[in-house]
Amino acid sequence: SYVLTQPPSVSVAPGQTARITCGGNNIGSKSVHWYQQKPGQAPVLVVYDDSDRPSGIPERFSGSNSGNTATLTISRVEAGDEADYYCQVWDSSSDHYVFGTGTKVTVL
Amino acid sequence: EVQLVESGGGLVQPGGSLRLSCAASGFTFSSYWMHWVRQAPGKGLVWVSRINSDGSSTSYADSVKGRFTISRDNAKNTLYLQMNSLRAEDTAVYYCARMSGSYNGAFDYWGQGTLVTVSS
Repeated sequence: SYVLTQPPSVSVAPGQTARITCGGNNIGSKSVHWYQQKPGQAPVLVVYDDSDRPSGIPERFSGSNSGNTATLTISRVEAGDEADYYCQVWDSSSDHYVFGTGTKVTVL
Repeated sequence: EVQLVESGGGLVQPGGSLRLSCAASGFTFSSYWMHWVRQAPGKGLVWVSRINSDGSSTSYADSVKGRFTISRDNAKNTLYLQMNSLRAEDTAVYYCARMSGSYNGAFDYWGQGTLVTVSS
C-alpha cells in the first residue's frame, strides 16, 4: 500500500517560514492535498492539487510537489498557525485514499 | 453555507453494530462523492470509505472491508456508514467529508465528527 511520510514535528518562530514535507514514492505524479487540524476541531483544507488555495486561506500557505517529496510552506508564521498538518493523495492502484502521518507545527 | 452534520456515534460492545449518519445541506448533495474518515484518540487521520455521487461505486480501507458498508440516500441528502463486527481498534471520531471532483479530488468540507467507542 502507498505510504506518505511526514516529520512528526516542526518548530518555528513567529514571522519565520515553516516547511512541512510529505514523502512518497513518485508523489510528484499525484495530486497532493494538505489539511490543517487544530485541537478538538475538524480538519480544514488549506492547499489542494499541489499548490492551489481554497478561498479564505491566506496566501501565506503555499505548496509544491516534485519527485518523491511534496512540501507545504507557511510563510510569516503566526501563533494561529499552530496545528497538525496532514498531506493526502489518491492511490489509483488500489483506489484508496492515503493520509500522511501528520506533522505538529509549534510556534515558539 | 455547506454543512455536514454527523450523528449516531456512541458506546458499543465488541462485536456489535452501529450506523452513522451524515446530514448534508447547502449544496447539491447528489452531485458529490462523499467519504468517511476516522481518527483514533491522539492519532492521525485514516481514510475509511468512499462512495460516488449516485451510490453505484464504493471503496473501503482494508481494515474495514467486509465489516463496514457505505451508502447514501440522495433524496434525503444523507450519507451513512453501517458498521458491523466492531472491534476496539475501531474506536475513533468518525468524520464525513465532501470531495471536490472525482477520484483524486480534495476533501473540501468536513463535518464536526461523531465519536464511536467500542468497549465492554
